Amino acid sequence: NAGVMQNPRHLVRRRGQEARLRCSPMKGHSHVYWYRQLPEEGLKFMVYLQKENIIDESGMPKERFSAEFPKEGPSILRIQQVVRGDSAAYFCASSPRTGGSSREQFFGPGTRLTVL
Amino acid sequence: GQQLNQSPQSMFIQEGEDVSMNCTSSSIFNTWLWYKQDPGEGPVLLIALYKAGELTSNGRLTAQFGITRKDSFLNISASIPSDVGIYFCAGWLGQGAQKLVFGQGTRLTINP
Repeated sequence: NAGVMQNPRHLVRRRGQEARLRCSPMKGHSHVYWYRQLPEEGLKFMVYLQKENIIDESGMPKERFSAEFPKEGPSILRIQQVVRGDSAAYFCASSPRTGGSSREQFFGPGTRLTVL
Repeated sequence: GQQLNQSPQSMFIQEGEDVSMNCTSSSIFNTWLWYKQDPGEGPVLLIALYKAGELTSNGRLTAQFGITRKDSFLNISASIPSDVGIYFCAGWLGQGAQKLVFGQGTRLTINP
């Protein structure tokens, strides 16, 4: 049973370019969460999605950031016109559909974005 | 926003020693999760706690959900070199909460 998959693992962009981060949840999981982690800090929630729906985007910056989880394919976190402050590790997590264990989130290996 | 205060921020111990770390908050949480993160990797779930007062073990790890629902601790017994890493507590706020709140992490270093 494959875990949460993220790609790319490392991404380098120049200021002003676009970054696309992909996440495939664990098999059977329909809830996807994105987090950002700066060096020496904990993870900060960005957005929570279910298939084709954004449930909570209260942690997303108002501009340049967007996320989707289409009916088919991985979840995408998109950052337009990247700036140096966007450099961070971005983690995706997934959780099961229902039940008590739905509160357990399983994380992918992360994408480390570096903006030059 | 909601915050979890995790302590200590770092620990330097000898191999074989026991380790204890905790998380506190001014808010009530209805679930506590403990994760370990190795360098360059994502957090790995260690223990999940769902009820106030619950005490759960996973091998040499033991975690408890505080009675007040505002705190949790994690103990590691007889530490070994592979225990090195950063440990994070995370919690779900009350009913209807849609996201995990993470502590700042405890960095564990083990001297052989």
